[in-house]
Amino acid sequence: KAGVTQTPRYLIKTRGQQVTLSCSPISGHRSVSWYQQTPGQGLQFLFEYFSETQRNKGNFPGRFSGRQFSNSRSEMNVSTLELGDSALYLCASSLALTGGYEQFFGPGTRLTVL
Amino acid sequence: GNSVTQMEGPVTLSEEAFLTINCTYTATGYPSLFWYVQYPGEGLQLLLKATKADDKGSNKGFEATYRKETTSFHLEKGSVQVSDSAVYFCALSQRETSGSRLTFGEGTQLTVNP
Repeated sequence: KAGVTQTPRYLIKTRGQQVTLSCSPISGHRSVSWYQQTPGQGLQFLFEYFSETQRNKGNFPGRFSGRQFSNSRSEMNVSTLELGDSALYLCASSLALTGGYEQFFGPGTRLTVL
Repeated sequence: GNSVTQMEGPVTLSEEAFLTINCTYTATGYPSLFWYVQYPGEGLQLLLKATKADDKGSNKGFEATYRKETTSFHLEKGSVQVSDSAVYFCALSQRETSGSRLTFGEGTQLTVNP
């Protein structure tokens, strides 16, 4: 069974631009979560989607948004990029929201903002 | 809110040494507790988990016991190998209130020398 895939793996943008990152969960998984990883702030929760609906949201500005499609694939978008948005963005999928299901992480997208 | 505190790193050990990485948490109710490992250039992999008090999670020689009285989930391994060199994250989730959202500790860099 294929794991969580994220595209692209690496991305370089300039300040003010916007970016869209994609995540394909493990087949059959309906919950997708996004995390930002930086050396200074560590791993921070961005949001979680289940059945095309955002179920949880972390403490990030409105420039960060996401969506989930009917096939459970998810995208996240960052508008008006800032230097501080440079980070590794990780996507994780699990079978459901509740029930103690394990989350499986993808390899991440490394975003560099110049 | 929920929080996780890990011992400060980095930790450097010789092969076959004993490993302990301390983790304490703050949460209401009964969270599930996890240890994740991140190898260079990769996403997170679940190492072990425990879902209720006194549970012991174990995998690949690593162990951790859910101690509710001390709100701790310390990671241990009796004999580390060079291949264990990675960053280790302690995390918690409370599915009843926060879905799949994981709250992570700061991470502990482990280097094992031959």
